Parts: sequence; C-alpha cells; structure tokens
Amino acid sequence: KAGVTQTPRYLIKTRGQQVTLSCSPISGHRSVSWYQQTPGQGLQFLFEYFSETQRNKGNFPGRFSGRQFSNSRSEMNVSTLELGDSALYLCASRPTGATDTQYFGPGTRLTVL
Amino acid sequence: AQTVTQSQPEMSVQEAETVTLSCTYDTSENNYYLFWYKQPPSRQMILVIRQEAYKQQNATENRFSVNFQKAAKSFSLKISDSQLGDTAMYFCAFMRPNSGNTPLVFGKGTRLSVIA
Repeated sequence: KAGVTQTPRYLIKTRGQQVTLSCSPISGHRSVSWYQQTPGQGLQFLFEYFSETQRNKGNFPGRFSGRQFSNSRSEMNVSTLELGDSALYLCASRPTGATDTQYFGPGTRLTVL
Repeated sequence: AQTVTQSQPEMSVQEAETVTLSCTYDTSENNYYLFWYKQPPSRQMILVIRQEAYKQQNATENRFSVNFQKAAKSFSLKISDSQLGDTAMYFCAFMRPNSGNTPLVFGKGTRLSVIA
C-alpha cells in the first residue's frame, strides 16, 4: 500500500497570505489528523477528521481550519499567516478505530517571511 | 491532561552498542497506548513500537524493545546493536483510547546519534 502523501513538500509564503496543504491518507484509512511541529513547541495536535467530520480539535486559533472529502483526502488551511506559523505540518492517517496506530506522511515545510 | 516527558534531549551511542531512551508520562487513565516514533533527518515520522497498557508483556520489534513500568509511568526504549541508520529524533507518544477523541500527545524528543 502506498503511504500517506502530502503536498506540497515545501512552501514559502509572506505574512498575511493564506495557504492550503493537502494530505492523502493510506488507502482504506478514514481518519486523518494534522500536527504542527516547531523547534520550540514540539509536536502539537491541530485537528482530526473522520468521515468528513471534525471529531477533535487542538488548541489553535480559528485561522487554522481543515476539511475532509468523501475520498478521505484532507486539506488544512491557514489564513492571515504569521511568522510563528512557520513549521513542519504533519498529516497522519489511521483506519477507523480509536485504538488504531497513526501513520505519518513526510510533512509540508511552511516558511512564512 | 496527559503529559509526556523525555528527559534526554540528546544521546549518542557507538555502532553495535546498546542504548536506552527514557520516557515518563502522567495520566489518570488506566487504559491507554504508548508509542515510540522515529524521525530521521528526512523528516518522515516512522512508527518504531507500540505498547498497550493492559498488556504486561513488554513489546519488541527486532532490535527495538521497551521497558514498560505502568506503576512508575515509565516507558523506555532500548535499541540493541545500534546501526548508523538509527540516527534520528525519537519521540515518545501517549494515546488515550476514548472513542474518536484520541490525538497523540508527544514528548519533546531525544536526538540520537549513532557513531561509527
């Protein structure tokens, strides 16, 4: 099976712009989670989608949003970018259950100038 | 809220030697899952090993094994016969298996360097 894929791998944006990141889960996986990784804060949970519904959300401002499509692909959007949004954004998928292991994609490196 | 602590920011080990990475966590839950993930310089987060809290037997995966001490809330990773390819950041993670509400909570990571 192909693994989790994320596009693009690298992005450079300027403050105030918005950005959309994409994640395609492993075939058959219906849950997609997003994490932000920074040197200072480490890995922090953004949100999780299952069957097109957000079922959990981390402690991030409303500028961070996401959605999931019927084919389980997910996108996350960050509006009004700030310098502090520079990070590695990781997507993870798992089959269905709450006890399933999450499998990660390679990440998207976002740099905000 | 659950917290995960990795007290060793950096470690190094000689090739073919054994190294142990420490992890402690705080939770009031009785049933949960613990993970070690590896993140090489390529950035891809790779699952190393998983432990269910209700299982007393320590998980093993080839050269990787854990020492799970539930009462002490400790979950260390032992890497035997270290290889250059083991050089990476290692993250300990906790998951509470309530229905549908189970993000991973990560420690800050340990940077492991395997030296030839």
